[in-house]
Amino acid sequence: DAMVIQNPRYQVTQFGKPVTLSCSQTLNHNVMYWYQQKSSQAPKLLFHYYDKDFNNEADTPDNFQSRRPNTSFCFLDIRSPGLGDAAMYLCATSRVLGAFHEQYFGPGTRLTVT
Amino acid sequence: ELKVEQNPLFLSMQEGKNYTIYCNYSTTSDRLYWYRQDPGKSLESLFVLLSNGAVKQEGRLMASLDTKARLSTLHITAAVHDLSATYFCAVVIIQGAQKLVFGQGTRLTINP
Repeated sequence: DAMVIQNPRYQVTQFGKPVTLSCSQTLNHNVMYWYQQKSSQAPKLLFHYYDKDFNNEADTPDNFQSRRPNTSFCFLDIRSPGLGDAAMYLCATSRVLGAFHEQYFGPGTRLTVT
Repeated sequence: ELKVEQNPLFLSMQEGKNYTIYCNYSTTSDRLYWYRQDPGKSLESLFVLLSNGAVKQEGRLMASLDTKARLSTLHITAAVHDLSATYFCAVVIIQGAQKLVFGQGTRLTINP
């Protein structure tokens, strides 16, 4: 059973055209993360939601925004995609409970910018 | 700022051989993950190491953590072609929720 679901799996957008990527989870985890992974690089954390609290990484460009309307869903909005934003976008979730909270990754969305 | 460094970054080896991937990090942490990633795919969790001296093994892979040395190793025993992939270590920092800082990844190619 899928636990962290990302849609679409592949997204093609035009330069400057806003795009939204979706993540949903069936785990009832209270933390949801968005990572960007460019080709041949490590994943890089963009931001995360801890419950309803949004936590942006200091070096995440303003072009990237996120919404979490409820526990299950989290969206990544790219307001004006550039060619440099082409990447795999990974959503992850975890539950903050006690001393240990493993992260579970979704299958990713590969974004192409033309 | 936490830095995580893996070496080697590229590793080509023959089936049947043993090798070790190293993960060094710069700030105190007692939790570390190892992930596998196949081309075009997401991350697959291999091991979660939660304390100093932790050792975990699964099949031909064994991971260990030395928090005093700020070092984790991923040892491959008698490599087989199916283990070809990119391997990432990720160090855990806690700022409210946990955050992961990844190493650069080691691209492992195992040749018949």
